[in-house]
Parts: sequence; structure tokens; C-alpha cells
Amino acid sequence: EAGVAQSPRYKIIEKRQSVAFWCNPISGHATLYWYQQILGQGPKLLIQFQNNGVVDDSQLPKDRFSAERLKGVDSTLKIQPAKLEDSAVYLCASSLNREGYGYTFGSGTRLTVV
Amino acid sequence: AQSVTQLGSHVSVSEGALVLLRCNYSSSVPPYLFWYVQYPNQGLQLLLKYTTGATLVKGINGFEAEFKKSETSFHLTKPSAHMSDAAEYFCAVSDFMGSTLGRLYFGRGTQLTVWP
Repeated sequence: EAGVAQSPRYKIIEKRQSVAFWCNPISGHATLYWYQQILGQGPKLLIQFQNNGVVDDSQLPKDRFSAERLKGVDSTLKIQPAKLEDSAVYLCASSLNREGYGYTFGSGTRLTVV
Repeated sequence: AQSVTQLGSHVSVSEGALVLLRCNYSSSVPPYLFWYVQYPNQGLQLLLKYTTGATLVKGINGFEAEFKKSETSFHLTKPSAHMSDAAEYFCAVSDFMGSTLGRLYFGRGTQLTVWP
């Protein structure tokens, strides 16, 4: 099966600019996650979708971050305006809601804010 | 809330030596436990997972881990290290909430260095 697709792979922007990341999960995976991985740390969940509804966005800085998953398939994560501390790798993952299953991660988007 | 502690942010071994990466977790419900490996500039690759059943789990590349409920541990081992094992390793825990697989809680990671 095809994996989780993410684009772009790399992005460099200036602070206060906006940026968007795209994720296409594995076909049939109802649950989609966005994680932020700051250098030297483990990934941290930003938002979790079940189909096109939000399950958990408690860790999402809603004053600058937004995410959507229209039609329950692709998802977009946006940052506006970006801050220096947003420099990180943004990972998308998807999962089947089935006992014993796990998660599949994309390759991530590395964001550098200068 | 769930949490993961990885003991040792850096582990160095010689090629051919035993690899032991430690992970302890806290969870209020029966956990799902995972080990992921991350190579530079790449995403997370699943090494192995424990969900239910046998507590000794075998994964890819010769790695295995044992779920010890009494010790709340899920340590990762490999009998003989290879140069290609050098990477960052993450332990993670999640649970199954109703009909939805919950979020992953990650440890801070352990950087494995393998010396020739």
C-alpha cells in the first residue's frame, strides 16, 4: 500500500510569514494526526482527526496554528504568523481504528523560520 | 495522562555488542507500546509494537522488546549491534479509546551510536 504522503519536504520562511503543509494519509485510514518534533525532542501531538472531525486539539496553539481535513481524506496544517520557535519537523500520521493496529508516519516537513 | 521515560539520551556500543535501550511508561489503562527508529532527515519507522498477547515482541532488523507490566517497562534489545543501527530511537505509548486509536505519547528519544 502507498504510504503517508507529505509536502513540501523542506520549507524556509521568515518570521511573521505564513506557511501550509499538506498530508495525504493511507487510503481508508479514518484517523489522521499532526505531530510537531522540535530538534532533540520526541514528537508532540498537535491535532487528531477522526474522519473530518477533530478529536483532540488541546496542544494546538490556536492563535497561530490551524488545521482542516475536508472530506475526511487530505489534511492541511497552517501556521500564520510563524515564529522562530515554530522551527521543527511536522509529521503526519494515519491509522485504522482497529484493535492491534498502529500508526503509519509520513517523512515529515522540515520547517525553518529565520 | 500517559507518559514515557527513556533512560539515557545517548547510548554508545561497539559493533557486535548487545544493544539495550530502556523505556518506562505510565498509563492508567492497558497500553499499546511502540518503538520507532528515526534516521537523519527521515520520518519515523516502526520497529515493533505491543498491543495484546505475547509480551515478548519481535520486530524488524533483529530488535525485540519485552512488555513487563509489573515494572511498567518496555526495553528494546538487540543481541549484536550493526553499524546501520546508528539512529535515534523513540519509545511511545498510546491506548485504544472506545473505537478510536488515541494519540501517541513519545519519550525524548535515545541516540544510538555504534563504534566499529
